[in-house]
Amino acid sequence: DGGITQSPKYLFRKEGQNVTLSCEQNLNHDAMYWYRQDPGQGLRLIYYSQIVNDFQKGDIAEGYSVSREKKESFPLTVTSAQKNPTAFYLCASSPTPGSSYNEQFFGPGTRLTVL
Amino acid sequence: GDSVTQMEGPVTLSEEAFLTINCTYTATGYPSLFWYVQYPGEGLQLLLKATKADDKGSNKGFEATYRKETTSFHLEKGSVQVSDSAVYFCALSDWGGSEKLVFGKGMKLTVNP
Repeated sequence: DGGITQSPKYLFRKEGQNVTLSCEQNLNHDAMYWYRQDPGQGLRLIYYSQIVNDFQKGDIAEGYSVSREKKESFPLTVTSAQKNPTAFYLCASSPTPGSSYNEQFFGPGTRLTVL
Repeated sequence: GDSVTQMEGPVTLSEEAFLTINCTYTATGYPSLFWYVQYPGEGLQLLLKATKADDKGSNKGFEATYRKETTSFHLEKGSVQVSDSAVYFCALSDWGGSEKLVFGKGMKLTVNP
């Protein structure tokens, strides 16, 4: 079955540590996205990538980094510079960048907790 | 910039009640509009969408009509079920802007038997 997988489902981090969240898709989609979800705040865009080896900052990129070395993979690193990283992180993909008709397909999410 | 405003809730209904979730938007271009649903502990799933004025999206008994004159995309269902308990997000993607989705804050719905 085609879809988006995120791992791990739950992740615990000590303060000062970097952690990397995995996102893989086998939908052959060009564009991929990372969102952060906090209670009562909806979803906020962290980074997005329209094509391999290219990505852009979203609305809340500070303290995060990404890479897009392969079309199917878009890992997110939460660095120690992110002051309040505890949240639910969602990865998404869409078929064709630059079209507003695109729906985005979401993975099941990773819940990150800083201890 | 683009924005979406929706009812935030939480809302609790009895089974078979009528549901309306209001959603209005502000956009610089000509947006496509979406409703997503998130069941507990899961990611978001597309519920329905509309890409031009007066289009009606529908799925699983839910409907929403793209109203350009009132910049609205209200979600309705005539008879909710316990299985509809979830968080509902209204979102837009602006044709004149980028392909990014702009989300409302979400509304949690609980349906009791």
